[in-house]
Amino acid sequence: GAVVSQHPSRVICKSGTSVKIECRSLDFQATTMFWYRQFPKQSLMLMATSNEGSKATYEQGVEKDKFLINHASLTLSTLTVTSAHPEDSSFYICSAVLGSREQYFGPGTRLTVT
Amino acid sequence: GEDVEQSLFLSVREGDSSVINCTYTDSSSTYLYWYKQEPGAGLQLLTYIFSNMDMKQDQRLTVLLNKKDKHLSLRIADTQTGDSAIYFCAEIPGTYKYIFGTGTRLKVLA
Repeated sequence: GAVVSQHPSRVICKSGTSVKIECRSLDFQATTMFWYRQFPKQSLMLMATSNEGSKATYEQGVEKDKFLINHASLTLSTLTVTSAHPEDSSFYICSAVLGSREQYFGPGTRLTVT
Repeated sequence: GEDVEQSLFLSVREGDSSVINCTYTDSSSTYLYWYKQEPGAGLQLLTYIFSNMDMKQDQRLTVLLNKKDKHLSLRIADTQTGDSAIYFCAEIPGTYKYIFGTGTRLKVLA
C-alpha cells in the first residue's frame, strides 16, 4: 500500500516550453502533497505544499508563476514548469501525505531543459 | 537555523556494520525518519522513531535517539552491496513539513 507514482519519469524539453509533471497517489487519498526539487548530490528542497481544492503554499524563493501547482483531486497533483530554462533542469520529487503525518514519495522526474 | 546535518560519505566493507549519524535541530520533533535513496529514484522510508523512544530495532536496522543532544543514528548490521545508496534523516518540527538532512552517501565495498 501507499504507492505514489510520477509521470513522466524523464523529460527533455526545449527552452521556453512548458512541462507538466503528474503525481498520483495510487491506493490512498491525499489531501496534501508536496513538491521537492533535488540538485545533484544535494538534499531535497521543498518547493511547495499542494492542498486539494485550494491554492498551493510556496516556500520562500520559489516563483509561483513559474511553478504552477494544481491539486484538483484527492489522488492527483500536477506541477507545471512554465517557460522552462536550462537552470530549471533538476530532479523533481513529489510526496503524498497518508493519514496525519507520513509522507510517501514518488520515484521522481528528471527534467532536462536544452 | 533549520540545518539537519549528516556526514557526507561513509564507506564500509560488505558484512561490516554501518553507522550513519544525524544531528537535528528541533527538540519538538515528534517523529524522526530515515529514508534511503538509490540512484535516480525517489525516497524509500526505512524506519522511524518516536521521540519518547531511545532505540528501535527492525531486522538489520537499529535507530538510536539521544534527545538531549538531538542526535539520531542509523545502524545497518551485516551491510550488503545493495545497501549502497544515499541515506537521509528527516524531522518534522511542525505539521507535515519534513526537514531533511544533507544526506550520507554509503558505499559498500565487496
